[in-house]
Amino acid sequence: DAKTTQPTSMDCAEGRAANLPCNHSTISGNEYVYWYRQIHSQGPQYIIHGLKNNETNEMASLIITEDRKSSTLILPHATLRDTAVYYCIVPDNYGQNFVFGPGTRLSVLP
Amino acid sequence: GAVVSQHPSRVICKSGTSVKIECRSLDFQATTMFWYRQFPKQSLMLMATSNEGSKATYEQGVEKDKFLINHASLTLSTLTVTSAHPEDSSFYICSARDGGFRSGANVLTFGAGSRLTVL
Repeated sequence: DAKTTQPTSMDCAEGRAANLPCNHSTISGNEYVYWYRQIHSQGPQYIIHGLKNNETNEMASLIITEDRKSSTLILPHATLRDTAVYYCIVPDNYGQNFVFGPGTRLSVLP
Repeated sequence: GAVVSQHPSRVICKSGTSVKIECRSLDFQATTMFWYRQFPKQSLMLMATSNEGSKATYEQGVEKDKFLINHASLTLSTLTVTSAHPEDSSFYICSARDGGFRSGANVLTFGAGSRLTVL
């Protein structure tokens, strides 16, 4: 079973920030949080990952709470092409297996 | 960045035939690759872990004699669906760990997927 829980779906207006939450209350001290997204009929695309500190790259920002039990992926200026299913993953089996939950279906609306 | 290539992207076959799907790491060596299956409107399900030079490790409920995995080199893993039936129709996706740990993490790179339709 996936070690994370996410809302089933979210809507976001084009040009606005999309904030996607994820709960991972059983995460252990050395486990990373990974975010991927899957656009229809394609393989998952890596977005960002983090351990304790907040992270930012050209795609998104990742905010991790101090207790590490939850995180938020932020797409600062969502576009229609960001419409996808977003997966928050904490691997199991000592970080080897990426188990995918249902993810959050983000719809960016014009 | 790391790139994983899958071939074919789409395949249609008759019931009872076998189909081979290739997964290649293009610019890195992958000692471990993973195979997933995804049915319509469902999430990805891990089928097996492919290890170079050794037998694959299958998840519970996945028939190893039906889904043959070979990882003969550090850049190629193959999944063969043997005696395919309509219920095997699915989207098959492979992934590989590029081994170049980004910030100490094990980032997986995924292929584009292979859609199998069994008639």
